[in-house]
Amino acid sequence: GQQLNQSPQSMFIQEGEDVSMNCTSSSIFNTWLWYKQDPGEGPVLLIALYKAGELTSNGRLTAQFGITRKDSFLNISASIPSDVGIYFCAGQFTGRRALTFGSGTRLQVQP
Amino acid sequence: ETGVTQSPTHLIKTRGQQVTLRCSSQSGHNTVSWYQQALGQGPQFIFQYYREEENGRGNFPPRFSGLQFPNYSSELNVNALELDDSALYLCASSPQGAYEQYFGPGTRLTVT
Repeated sequence: GQQLNQSPQSMFIQEGEDVSMNCTSSSIFNTWLWYKQDPGEGPVLLIALYKAGELTSNGRLTAQFGITRKDSFLNISASIPSDVGIYFCAGQFTGRRALTFGSGTRLQVQP
Repeated sequence: ETGVTQSPTHLIKTRGQQVTLRCSSQSGHNTVSWYQQALGQGPQFIFQYYREEENGRGNFPPRFSGLQFPNYSSELNVNALELDDSALYLCASSPQGAYEQYFGPGTRLTVT
């Protein structure tokens, strides 16, 4: 089946540092979505990307849709303790509603 | 505006039993998708419902079935439960024509 490779698997950073994570795929996606999941909760949508090369921000979060349409990255600037959680990328093919998820990046922030 | 809600929160079943999980979509959303999330993994697509009909299915056996009702709420039914069915089951809803999916808090199913 389709696979998304998400890296890094985990990160441990100091409060105030910037964070970067990415997803790569062997397939071309029409849409990239980034989610954050806290323990015992469902994923929360952070950013949605629809166009190759698109760069979108949501507060301290910035995500980009790769030119090849096979990758995406998410940056978090000036991290804070509430950024702790698991971040998932998800890709979506044209004409299909199913989301294909990466395996997640676990972020820990040291106050 | 009420988000996606799911019930029950937790459930324990025995191997071979059947289970029904429920989802109420976010107001104004007419499409519902179900995902299975095993511990330490990303969610896996089970199927999607639109206008009360299945509109796409992932790599899950027929013992996973669903329904969507006229008010857009949905049920996921799993027959002949297996130990590997233990997971967090997530429901997500979408507005018509939109690509974004908004998730509920999930139902934690444990099969013993």
